[in-house]
Amino acid sequence: AQTVTQSQPEMSVQEAETVTLSCTYDTSENNYYLFWYKQPPSRQMILVIRQEAYKQQNATENRFSVNFQKAAKSFSLKISDSQLGDTAMYFCALATDSWGKLQFGAGTQVVVTP
Amino acid sequence: DVKVTQSSRYLVKRTGEKVFLECVQDMDHENMFWYRQDPGLGLRLIYFSYDVKMKEKGDIPEGYSVSREKKERFSLILESASTNQTSMYLCASSFRVLRQPQHFGDGTRLSIL
Repeated sequence: AQTVTQSQPEMSVQEAETVTLSCTYDTSENNYYLFWYKQPPSRQMILVIRQEAYKQQNATENRFSVNFQKAAKSFSLKISDSQLGDTAMYFCALATDSWGKLQFGAGTQVVVTP
Repeated sequence: DVKVTQSSRYLVKRTGEKVFLECVQDMDHENMFWYRQDPGLGLRLIYFSYDVKMKEKGDIPEGYSVSREKKERFSLILESASTNQTSMYLCASSFRVLRQPQHFGDGTRLSIL
């Protein structure tokens, strides 16, 4: 069985600062994908970034980057130069099967303050 | 852009009613999913479908059923609604490839009184 754990229920960060969200996972599969999704107050789930397990290089999308530690089964998200619009719930998710089913963590609420 | 449309943003129903939640996607995706979102629990998969008329149980299928008569439409059915089914329901769709992300609707906040 696959599990995803996000141990930080809420984090607060000031504008322009950097915040790092942690995520650990467990799977016995060798080929899998990891995702970070963002859910702002509008409720629309938006893909932030994804990482393939076979790729050593950490994924980056503008101000968002990940630190993927495969041996430790860790997949943290770093938000640089935080903006008010980054205020949202962030979910870490794991996909292991060919159907692309996602196992989600409990989420981390990020609040960006002026 | 992919559009996943859920029929209702808010819905209030009574205990024992049969409830239908509808979801439509416009990107010809093979896969469609229904999740339930509760605080502290993240999203949990109720059912998914990988083709027309095909369905598979997710992690919490009890009390729910689904229907997929057309590729673009996936319905979630609460056969006899109960108060513990009060929740946020999210529909998603994707291509049937591991690396492809899921695209989500805006969610339906369902209250069962």
